[in-house]
Amino acid sequence: AQSVTQLGSHVSVSEGALVLLRCNYSSSVPPYLFWYVQYPNQGLQLLLKYTSAATLVKGINGFEAEFKKSETSFHLTKPSAHMSDAAEYFCALTSGTYKYIFGTGTRLKVLA
Amino acid sequence: DVKVTQSSRYLVKRTGEKVFLECVQDMDHENMFWYRQDPGLGLRLIYFSYDVKMKEKGDIPEGYSVSREKKERFSLILESASTNQTSMYLCASSLPGRHSPLHFGNGTRLTVT
Repeated sequence: AQSVTQLGSHVSVSEGALVLLRCNYSSSVPPYLFWYVQYPNQGLQLLLKYTSAATLVKGINGFEAEFKKSETSFHLTKPSAHMSDAAEYFCALTSGTYKYIFGTGTRLKVLA
Repeated sequence: DVKVTQSSRYLVKRTGEKVFLECVQDMDHENMFWYRQDPGLGLRLIYFSYDVKMKEKGDIPEGYSVSREKKERFSLILESASTNQTSMYLCASSLPGRHSPLHFGNGTRLTVT
């Protein structure tokens, strides 16, 4: 069975500090992995996706994620947090079917 | 840019009412989805459609049905709304490729009283 675990339902960082949001996955087949962001009262927007072409994936708004097969992880990072990064972030996995498995989300708070 | 439009941002309905949630996408995507989002539970798939008139049950289809008469439109129907169906409903669409991302609408927050 496939699963996605996001460690930490709430993360707080200071403006300008490193953002690290954790995602671990379980899959018996090579996964395709995604990070989405959700701003208040909006739908989810794609930040980046991993499709096996490169293990380090760059996305929008300065975010990037590294696929580590040995650690079954796909953590999301940003070198310097901005107030506008405050949102909820979702990690998701698919094995190539219509079934997308979402994590339970991490709410990022950025402190001035 | 793909646009997925959900007809209502907020809805308040009474228990037992029949509720229709409408979703339209403008990029000719084959796949369309209805998810339910609840705090601490992430997104759960209600129904999926891969073509006109074709549908597959997701993880939580009970109490819901769907309709896809045209490629661009996917409707979610609550046959008899109940208070435990109070939630945020998200529609999404995608191309059929193996790693095609989902494109989401802004959601409909439904309250059943």
